[in-house]
Amino acid sequence: EDQVTQSPEALRLQEGESSSLNCSYTVSGLRGLFWYRQDPGKGPEFLFTLYSAGEEKEKERLKATLTKKESFLHITAPKPEDSATYLCAVQARAGGTSYGKLTFGQGTILTVHP
Amino acid sequence: DGGITQSPKYLFRKEGQNVTLSCEQNLNHDAMYWYRQDPGQGLRLIYYSQIVNDFQKGDIAEGYSVSREKKESFPLTVTSAQKNPTAFYLCASSWSTYSNQPQHFGDGTRLSIL
Repeated sequence: EDQVTQSPEALRLQEGESSSLNCSYTVSGLRGLFWYRQDPGKGPEFLFTLYSAGEEKEKERLKATLTKKESFLHITAPKPEDSATYLCAVQARAGGTSYGKLTFGQGTILTVHP
Repeated sequence: DGGITQSPKYLFRKEGQNVTLSCEQNLNHDAMYWYRQDPGQGLRLIYYSQIVNDFQKGDIAEGYSVSREKKESFPLTVTSAQKNPTAFYLCASSWSTYSNQPQHFGDGTRLSIL
């Protein structure tokens, strides 16, 4: 069974204090790993897709990296507006045209204080 | 702007009552999904649909029903058989259930019991 574990559950940072969020996964063949940002009372907003180990993607202060067992979301010099819940999800490689199910982690709640 | 619209934002259900949550997308996506989100848990898949007039059960389909009469619309009915319906419900869409392209989400409906 595919599993995704995110750590820490919650992270408090001071503005400008860089850090990383972890997403550990087990999957029977990775088709893709997805990062989302979710604000309170809103739906998840897509950030990145990573497809293979060694791949990196960047967007403003965020950088996502991928190994064969985990992904990191690095946040450089965060600002209060980066406060949100960050979700990680993996999609398993399915056979032929069968459905590639997404398995989500429980999320990391990031709070950035000014 | 293209996107996914969920309505209503808040919904209250009485005992023994069925309620229907609306989801409309104008992204021209073929695939649509319904998830349930509970505090401290990852998103769990209720139903998904690849094409019109076809849908499949997800991990927690009991007590729910769906229809897919139009490409743009994928309503979810929470029936009286669902004994613990209080949750945040999220609708998503993507180009295909068997591609590795990201799913995009609406802003959710929060369902509570009266």
